[in-house]
Amino acid sequence: SQTIHQWPATLVQPVGSPLSLECTVEGTSNPNLYWYRQAAGRGLQLLFYSVGIGQISSEVPQNLSASRPQDRQFILSSKKLLLSDSGFYLCAWSGVLRVGEQYFGPGTRLTVT
Amino acid sequence: ILNVEQSPQSLHVQEGDSTNFTCSFPSSNFYALHWYRWETAKSPEALFVMTLNGDEKKKGRISATLNTKEGYSYLYIKGSQPEDSATYLCAAVDQTGANNLFFGTGTRLTVIP
Repeated sequence: SQTIHQWPATLVQPVGSPLSLECTVEGTSNPNLYWYRQAAGRGLQLLFYSVGIGQISSEVPQNLSASRPQDRQFILSSKKLLLSDSGFYLCAWSGVLRVGEQYFGPGTRLTVT
Repeated sequence: ILNVEQSPQSLHVQEGDSTNFTCSFPSSNFYALHWYRWETAKSPEALFVMTLNGDEKKKGRISATLNTKEGYSYLYIKGSQPEDSATYLCAAVDQTGANNLFFGTGTRLTVIP
């Protein structure tokens, strides 16, 4: 069966510090991968998606970036965090079907102070 | 990007009551509609995926309908139980060719024993 891991579970970082969140998927090959963020009082917002190694598409311009160095690894990064980057970050994967369900990881709670 | 709206934002019902919520989305550029349940401290869990106008899906006491011509979907819960307490998210997929989900802000349901 497929599983998706995210770490860390919680993170408190000062403004201006770098960020690296990691997501890995097991039990499937060539998944589509996604990063979402839920800011306080708002819905889930798609940040990045990837259909293959090295292929990253951004939905929202911001100071975050994503990378996919391996088939089942997806990394969310920032060189300098802003207060507005605080939120709950979810990684998800799906198969290649256009209407395939997405399966979410446990999430990372990021607080930027 | 699709603008998806959900109402109400929150809802309190007594155990045993039936309830329903609404998800609205642009009928143009629509491809598919997802419903997810998100319990506190857990990952969002897929409930339904619907694509065709008039689609109806059912899982236990939970069912959903889809009207693509007018751009809305209803989620129904019959005989609400305390374990149904969660945030219910809907998300739409557009016709760009990617499986990207655009989420509403969710309806937070609390079932009072």
